[in-house]
Amino acid sequence: DAGVTQSPTHLIKTRGQQVTLRCSPKSGHDTVSWYQQALGQGPQFIFQYYEEEERQRGNFPDRFSGHQFPNYSSELNVNALLLGDSALYLCASSPQRSAYGYTFGSGTRLTVV
Amino acid sequence: TQLLEQSPQFLSIQEGENLTVYCNSSSVFSSLQWYRQEPGEGPVLLVTVVTGGEVKKLKRLTFQFGDARKDSSLHITAAQPGDTGLYLCAGLAGAGSYQLTFGKGTKLSVIP
Repeated sequence: DAGVTQSPTHLIKTRGQQVTLRCSPKSGHDTVSWYQQALGQGPQFIFQYYEEEERQRGNFPDRFSGHQFPNYSSELNVNALLLGDSALYLCASSPQRSAYGYTFGSGTRLTVV
Repeated sequence: TQLLEQSPQFLSIQEGENLTVYCNSSSVFSSLQWYRQEPGEGPVLLVTVVTGGEVKKLKRLTFQFGDARKDSSLHITAAQPGDTGLYLCAGLAGAGSYQLTFGKGTKLSVIP
């Protein structure tokens, strides 16, 4: 049973560019959350998607946007990249019926130069 | 804004020793989760505690949720090199909140 799959695993972008990260949730999970983990820090909540809509958003600017598709997969888009956006981006999926069953992917390491 | 503070930030111990990691907040959480994260990987859920005063054991790991649901601890007995990793606590605020608030983590090294 595949867990959460994220792509790409690593990415290098130039300041000002745009990036799209992708996530396929664990089988049976219909809710996807995105987190940003800077070096030496704990993950910070960006937003959560359920039923193809953004259900809750953390303290991140509008440059961060997302989408959820009918098959529950999700994308995270970041526009106008800043050096400070360099981080590990984690996707977590969970079943709607349980707030506790979070499964994280291995993440996408984004470096902005 | 809810915050979770973890201590210690770093811990280096010899194989066979015991240790405790603490997770504290001034806010009440409906549940607390503990994760372990290895370099280059995502966090892996170890346990979820829901009830104030709850104690859960997972082999050599013991997790406790404070009576007021503002703090939690993780105790490891007879640590092994395989326990090495970053331990993260994360809280859920309550009904209608889907945001996990994470602490900064405790980096544990167990020396053989």
